[in-house]
Amino acid sequence: KQEVTQIPAALSVPEGENLVLNCSFTDSAIYNLQWFRQDPGKGLTSLLLIQSSQREQTSGRLNASLDKSSGRSTLYIAASQPGDSATYLCAVSNFGNEKLTFGTGTRLTIIP
Amino acid sequence: GAVVSQHPSRVICKSGTSVKIECRSLDFQATTMFWYRQFPKKSLMLMATSNEGSKATYEQGVEKDKFLINHASLTLSTLTVTSAHPEDSSFYICSAHLAGGSAYEQYFGPGTRLTVT
Repeated sequence: KQEVTQIPAALSVPEGENLVLNCSFTDSAIYNLQWFRQDPGKGLTSLLLIQSSQREQTSGRLNASLDKSSGRSTLYIAASQPGDSATYLCAVSNFGNEKLTFGTGTRLTIIP
Repeated sequence: GAVVSQHPSRVICKSGTSVKIECRSLDFQATTMFWYRQFPKKSLMLMATSNEGSKATYEQGVEKDKFLINHASLTLSTLTVTSAHPEDSSFYICSAHLAGGSAYEQYFGPGTRLTVT
């Protein structure tokens, strides 16, 4: 059974700093990995999707990497802004299965 | 494109009553929709997979008679929480898989906050 863990559970950093969020998964036979953002009381916003054959994806200040063999992904946020404050979730899908398994989330606070 | 809506966004109901939550794909057809629940400060847990025109597939530990799912059309799935109890209070989120799209890409609704008093 796939299990997804995110460390740290919460993170506070001053505005302008670069930061890294971590995601690990136990079953490396994944089809893809996604990073989502969730604001309090809201739904999910998809940030980046990495196919299993890819090693990274970039969108603006965000860069997600994937090391499938070690069961790890990182989300790098450059030049953080207060508007980046949210909970970040990673989720994986396994081959032959559309279901997403979500991580435990990292609550990020950017301090102005 | 690929917008998913949920209605209502918030609902408060009394213990013992039933409440229906709708999930709609607004600008695409979805052969498959997924229902998740999220407890405060917790991650999303998949409850069931809803397939248009057939019975939903429930995850282990989810009572199918309590959480009724109907996927009557390619744009609408409903989740009915029957005989709701306070422990059913949660944030319910649906997602939809675009028919003919990437097999594993889902689009998420904004969620429904259910409070059972």
